[in-house]
Amino acid sequence: GAVVSQHPSRVICKSGTSVKIECRSLDFQATTMFWYRQFPKKSLMLMATSNEGSKATYEQGVEKDKFLINHASLTLSTLTVTSAHPEDSSFYICSSRPSGTQETQYFGPGTRLLVL
Amino acid sequence: SQQGEEDPQALSIQEGENATMNCSYKTSINNLQWYRQNSGRGLVHLILIRSNEREKHSGRLRVTLDTSKKSSSLLITASRAADTASYFCATGMPNSGNTPLVFGKGTRLSVIA
Repeated sequence: GAVVSQHPSRVICKSGTSVKIECRSLDFQATTMFWYRQFPKKSLMLMATSNEGSKATYEQGVEKDKFLINHASLTLSTLTVTSAHPEDSSFYICSSRPSGTQETQYFGPGTRLLVL
Repeated sequence: SQQGEEDPQALSIQEGENATMNCSYKTSINNLQWYRQNSGRGLVHLILIRSNEREKHSGRLRVTLDTSKKSSSLLITASRAADTASYFCATGMPNSGNTPLVFGKGTRLSVIA
């Protein structure tokens, strides 16, 4: 089946630093990728929709200058948490849907971010 | 924003018993999917049911969909300790090419050996 990878799987950083998370679709092209955030014992909340070659669409309440998204190719989207603070500590999960399909959405394994 | 509401929020059963989880949603959908997530891990896709389907089976899983009531249920039969996880429903919207799945709040299932 289709595979989506994320890197890193886990990161610990100091408050004020920036962290970049990569999401790759390994065996298909994806015009659109999605970024979710999940707090402990909570559900996945959509943060933004990443569109190849154009600006990302952010959900209400998600700061675009805080969470920078770049979707430079059909297989790679990156999420950069800028000037991270302890409240940004969370589990970040990306997903993508093969271009031209409407149902199946493949999820990455997630990145656990801990900001000290 | 979240679309689905699962109930119960938490469920604890003995190994061998059946587990039933319910999901309700608010808007029209193209499909509804169930996922499992072990603690601290990624999502595992379990089953997809389309809006024109009423019931679907996969191994020990049985999913129903009632679009008139905007609800779905996931039944796990003959549960095992390894089924302990959080279960989420997620809805796919009509014309969903570029729209994401919207997740419910999830049910935490504990299967006691």
